[in-house]
Amino acid sequence: QVQLVQSGAEVKKPGASVRVSCTASGYTFSSYYIQWVRQAPGQGLEWMGKINPSGGITSYAQKFQGRVTMTRDTSTSTVHMDLSSLRFEDTAVYYCARGAALAGGSDYFDSWGQGTLVTVSS
Amino acid sequence: DIVMTQSPDSLAVSLGERATINCKSSQSVFYSSNNMNYLAWYQQKPGQPPKLLIYWASTRESGVPDRFSGSGSGTDFTLSISSLQAEDVAVYYCHQYYSSPYTFGQGTKLEIK
Repeated sequence: QVQLVQSGAEVKKPGASVRVSCTASGYTFSSYYIQWVRQAPGQGLEWMGKINPSGGITSYAQKFQGRVTMTRDTSTSTVHMDLSSLRFEDTAVYYCARGAALAGGSDYFDSWGQGTLVTVSS
Repeated sequence: DIVMTQSPDSLAVSLGERATINCKSSQSVFYSSNNMNYLAWYQQKPGQPPKLLIYWASTRESGVPDRFSGSGSGTDFTLSISSLQAEDVAVYYCHQYYSSPYTFGQGTKLEIK
C-alpha cells in the first residue's frame, strides 16, 4: 500500500532553516508528484508547492518563492522540503502528499504523510 | 488565486441525519475540454492528516463509505453525508486543483448534536 513517512518534529530559532523529509513506498516513486501542504495550529490547509520526482522540476506557491526548496533523492525514494529564514508564523505541521501521476493525472492528494511539526521559537 | 469559501464554518447534526457542507470557488473550476470539475473533498480528524474522500467533485475514493457524496459544478459544490455516524465527526475541506496555487476552503467542523 502507498505510504509516505516523514521525518520527526523540529524546533528552530527565527532566521534558521529546517529540512523536512518524506520517504515514499508502495508505488513507483518517480511516477507521481509529491506535494507539500502546511497547517498552522488550529488553522486550515495551505499548499506550498510540488516536485516532479522524476526530473526534479518544482513549482512553488508565490508566497514561499525564495524561501522554499524541494529536492528529491531517487535512490531512497525521498523528497526533502527546505524552508529558510524561519519566522514565528512558520510554526505549523508540514505534510507531504502524493499528487498527480506524471503519465497524466490531476493533483488531488490521495495519500498523505503523518505530518511533521515544526516549531519556531526563540 | 482561486478563493474557496465553505459554509457553514461549523455544523451540528443528529446521528442518522443528513449533513450538508457547501463550497464556493471565486472562479469556475470546470475544465470544458474534459468536462471535469477540479474539486476534491477531504476529511481531517484530530491529530491525523487529511484523508481524500471525493475527487472530480463527485467521484468517491476507494474505500470511502457510500453515505458520502459530492455534487455541483462550476463554482458551487456540496458534500453530503446521508446518515451521520459518530466516526464522521471531523473537519472537512474542499480543495481546487484547477490552477496553481492550489487552494483549500477554510474548513467546516462537523459535530454531533
